[in-house]
Amino acid sequence: DAKTTQPTSMDCAEGRAANLPCNHSTISGNEYVYWYRQIHSQGPQYIIHGLKNNETNEMASLIITEDRKSSTLILPHATLRDTAVYYCIVRVAGTQGGSEKLVFGKGTKLTVNP
Amino acid sequence: NAGVTQTPKFRVLKTGQSMTLLCAQDMNHEYMYWYRQDPGMGLRLIHYSVGEGTTAKGEVPDGYNVSRLKKQNFLLGLESAAPSQTSVYFCASHRAVNTGELFFGEGSRLTVL
Repeated sequence: DAKTTQPTSMDCAEGRAANLPCNHSTISGNEYVYWYRQIHSQGPQYIIHGLKNNETNEMASLIITEDRKSSTLILPHATLRDTAVYYCIVRVAGTQGGSEKLVFGKGTKLTVNP
Repeated sequence: NAGVTQTPKFRVLKTGQSMTLLCAQDMNHEYMYWYRQDPGMGLRLIHYSVGEGTTAKGEVPDGYNVSRLKKQNFLLGLESAAPSQTSVYFCASHRAVNTGELFFGEGSRLTVL
């Protein structure tokens, strides 16, 4: 699975949009971009994933550049509860096989301030 | 539907003691994983299982053993605990057709004195 690069930390004001970037310049054509988050002391939680089209769900939006070398997770109206570490991961999906090579790096520590 | 449940959630051990962490999932998932997470670090894979009766080593397997006697349960054992094994342990699972979505438990915080 391709490697990703994320900023170590970011701040956002409550009620504003939080835009978390991720670089994945070595992504392959069959690899998806996944985002997870980990609220303090809890298990990581799946947020969203996408291949090349922009995706939106009840939690967030995912914007993937046309060349797929980078993406941005958008939390449209950040709340204090969104303070967490956000992990960007790229991997092949929709096939048989495990996730033993999945790498959860250090992610981006997002702090939402009142 | 409880998802992924880990027990115990907290435990304090003395060096040399043994213990077992239990991970149970009720989603009929084939794949199960044990990770550890140390302060300021990402998750590191300890062991994993691709199905009932199978186990395999991950990135940091030394000092740990695992068993998957039943599909729904994945046990992580520490035969002789060491202070270096003080950590938060997370279990995760997913189904055979890998959509890439891992389901995690809430974590087990282990302290070895």
